[in-house]
Amino acid sequence: GQQVMQIPQYQHVQEGEDFTTYCNSSTTLSNIQWYKQRPGGHPVFLIQLVKSGEVKKQKRLTFQFGEAKKNSSLHITATQTTDVGTYFCAGNAGGTSYGKLTFGQGTILTVHP
Amino acid sequence: NAGVTQTPKFQVLKTGQSMTLQCAQDMNHEYMSWYRQDPGMGLRLIHYSVGAGITDQGEVPNGYNVSRSTTEDFPLRLLSAAPSQTSVYFCASSRTTANTEAFFGQGTRLTVV
Repeated sequence: GQQVMQIPQYQHVQEGEDFTTYCNSSTTLSNIQWYKQRPGGHPVFLIQLVKSGEVKKQKRLTFQFGEAKKNSSLHITATQTTDVGTYFCAGNAGGTSYGKLTFGQGTILTVHP
Repeated sequence: NAGVTQTPKFQVLKTGQSMTLQCAQDMNHEYMSWYRQDPGMGLRLIHYSVGAGITDQGEVPNGYNVSRSTTEDFPLRLLSAAPSQTSVYFCASSRTTANTEAFFGQGTRLTVV
């Protein structure tokens, strides 16, 4: 079945440093979504990418979707303590997997002040 | 707006007991799903529904049953609880399919002893 791998599993940064998490799918995706989960909380939607090579920005966050629609990345510039949490990518392969959203394992981000 | 409401928030079960985790949404979303979250494994899809009367299996369906008699409700039943089902369970809903933003409930932390 479809697999979505996410690296790194953990990332510790000093406040002000940049952070990147990478997501790779075993199959071509129809779209990819990114979620953030604060400690003790529930996942909250950040963004969806649909087009090959798409790049979207939300303030300090930059999201990219690969040309082959099999990989994606989330980059945070100048991290802040409010960025702490787990970041998940989630992909949908479409076709017979139309109703299934497969999540990566997540990257746990710790920001030291 | 309530969004997605899950009950209970916490539950302790003995091995072999059965129970139902409740999930309700008030956004008139067609698509609903159940995930379990275990450390280092991200969110794994248990069952999902693309509309009232329609359900399908996700990645880890064994030991769980679902039904979707109304658009609003999507309960998850544990038939005979096992320690391996100790996890945090999240219900989510989306407007149409897995290709749209998912709204998550607050989660149910289940311990099976």
